[in-house]
Parts: sequence; C-alpha cells; structure tokens
Amino acid sequence: KAGVTQTPRYLIKTRGQQVTLSCSPISGHRSVSWYQQTPGQGLQFLFEYFSETQRNKGNFPGRFSGRQFSNSRSEMNVSTLELGDSALYLCASSFMTGSNQPQHFGDGTRLSIL
Amino acid sequence: AQKITQTQPGMFVQEKEAVTLDCTYDTSDPSYGLFWYKQPSSGEMIFLIYQGSYDQQNATEGRYSLNFQKARKSANLVISASQLGDSAMYFCAMRAYSSASKIIFGSGTRLSIRP
Repeated sequence: KAGVTQTPRYLIKTRGQQVTLSCSPISGHRSVSWYQQTPGQGLQFLFEYFSETQRNKGNFPGRFSGRQFSNSRSEMNVSTLELGDSALYLCASSFMTGSNQPQHFGDGTRLSIL
Repeated sequence: AQKITQTQPGMFVQEKEAVTLDCTYDTSDPSYGLFWYKQPSSGEMIFLIYQGSYDQQNATEGRYSLNFQKARKSANLVISASQLGDSAMYFCAMRAYSSASKIIFGSGTRLSIRP
C-alpha cells in the first residue's frame, strides 16, 4: 500500500513569489492535514481537510491556503513568500478525522526562501 | 489550553539497553488520543504507537510500549532493546476530541544510540 506522497521534495523560491505543494494521501484516507516544521517553532498545524471541506485551521496568516479534491488529494498554497516561510512542510493523512485516528505522514517538502 | 511537554531535549543510550522517553500532556477534554512519532534525519515522520484516553491497557507495538498514567497525565514511550536505527527525533502528540482536527506536538527528544 503506497504511503503519503508529497511533491516536490525540495523547492527554492524567492521572496514575494508563491508556491503550491501537493499531497496524495494513502488510498482510502479522506482526511489530510498540513504542518509546518521549523527548528524554532517545531511542528505547527496549518489546516485539515476532510471530504473537500476545511475542518480546522491553525494560527497562520491568510497567505497560507489549501484545498482538497474529490479524490482526497490536497494542495497547499503560500502566496507572497517571506524568508520566515522556509521550513519543512509535512502532509499527513488518516482514514477519518477523530481523536483515535493516527496520522500517517509523507516525507515532506523542504521549502527554502532566498 | 492543550499542551504536550517533552522535557528531555536529548538522550544517549547504549545499544541493546531499554530507554524511556518522557511525555506529559494537559487537556480538559476527557476524550483524547496520544501518539508517538519517530523522525529520522531524513525528515519523514513515522507513526509508532497510539493510546486512547479510555484504553484500560497500555499500548504495545513490537519493541515499543506506551506507559500511560492517566492520573499523572503522562504517556512515556518505552523502547526495549534499543538498536542503532532507533537514533532519531521522537515526538509525543495529542489529539483531543473537542479539537479533533488538530494534533499538537511536543518539542521532541533527540535519541542517540551508542554502539
């Protein structure tokens, strides 16, 4: 069974640009969550999608947005990139949304802003 | 507010020894799940073990077990017979029913196994 697939693995952008990251969940999983990981802030929740609807959102500015498609694949978009957006962005999927649902993570997209 | 605390930033353990990684949590929600993840230097997060707040027995998965002490709000991970491949960052995480969408993570413990 294929795991969570994130593309691209690495990305270099400059300030002011925008970027779109992609996540394909494990087959059958309907919940997709996104996290930002930085050395200073650790792992921070961005948002979760379930059945194409955003279920919850973390404390990030509106420059961070996402969506989920009918096949459960998800994209995350960051506009007007800032140096502080340099991070590892992790996508995680679970079968359902709920407190008993472990999330399975992809390998992440490492975004570097120059 | 919900919180996860991991007080051990780093640990060194001799190969084949058992190791306990500490995790305490805080939530007012009676229904929650506790998770441990392993993150090797390559970056991927690997799910290790899950414990539900209403589970009567401690969870076990191979060499991993979770020492769940609900009254003390602790969920320590025990790795038996450590191996060199266990060297990684370990994160404790919690997902409460009332905020079912959101998992919160601790700051992590970097475990290094000595040969």
